[in-house]
Amino acid sequence: DIQMTQSPSSLSASVGGRVTITCRASQSISTYLNWYQQKPGKAPKLLIYAASSLQSGVPSRFSGSGSGTDFTLTISSLQPEDFATYYCQQSYSTPLTFGPGTKVDIK
Amino acid sequence: EVQLLESGGGLVQPGGSLRLSCAASGFTISSNAMSWVRQAPGKGLEWVSTISGSGGSTNYADSVKGRFTISRDNSKNTLYLQMNSLRAEDTAVYYCAKEVAGTLWSFDYWGQGTLVTVSS
Repeated sequence: DIQMTQSPSSLSASVGGRVTITCRASQSISTYLNWYQQKPGKAPKLLIYAASSLQSGVPSRFSGSGSGTDFTLTISSLQPEDFATYYCQQSYSTPLTFGPGTKVDIK
Repeated sequence: EVQLLESGGGLVQPGGSLRLSCAASGFTISSNAMSWVRQAPGKGLEWVSTISGSGGSTNYADSVKGRFTISRDNSKNTLYLQMNSLRAEDTAVYYCAKEVAGTLWSFDYWGQGTLVTVSS
């Protein structure tokens, strides 16, 4: 199974600040990497698929990069509605696996 | 508008069974692979199972293999998850999710989730 790790596990940031979350796969997954945002009590929301493709309707302040084993989600200017938990997910092979999540809260 | 509506969750005793349903609207489920993903209380996301668009291929997490069965009824545009031999560790919110068209195993639409609690 492919193991996914994320760092940091949590972070505090200010509105308007830049946030970077890292995701690492235990083996190469090419660009089969997706990013989701989840708010308490809500279903996950797809932000980025195929490592860098922005899902329709998602603000352009979100971007993704990386390939192989190392990936990054960047929020260029954090907005109040962006405080949430972010998960990466590999779609290279089954079993599909998610990272443990990164919680972004207000500084 | 694409919508997914899960139902069928509830309280069940260890060893019991439940069948979850996911009614889809705004698209045809036979056109996309569909999956179940669960989230234990306060924990992260765990993929459970996927069924291909044709319905001819299914995949399961090792933790549920042999106990859970994913299926679909295209005439009702509904996805199912039959859960047998339930354990306490199956307690979670279960989400159904639709695969992004043209991709493999990334999920663009999710239901609101249905809570399954396994306890005596």
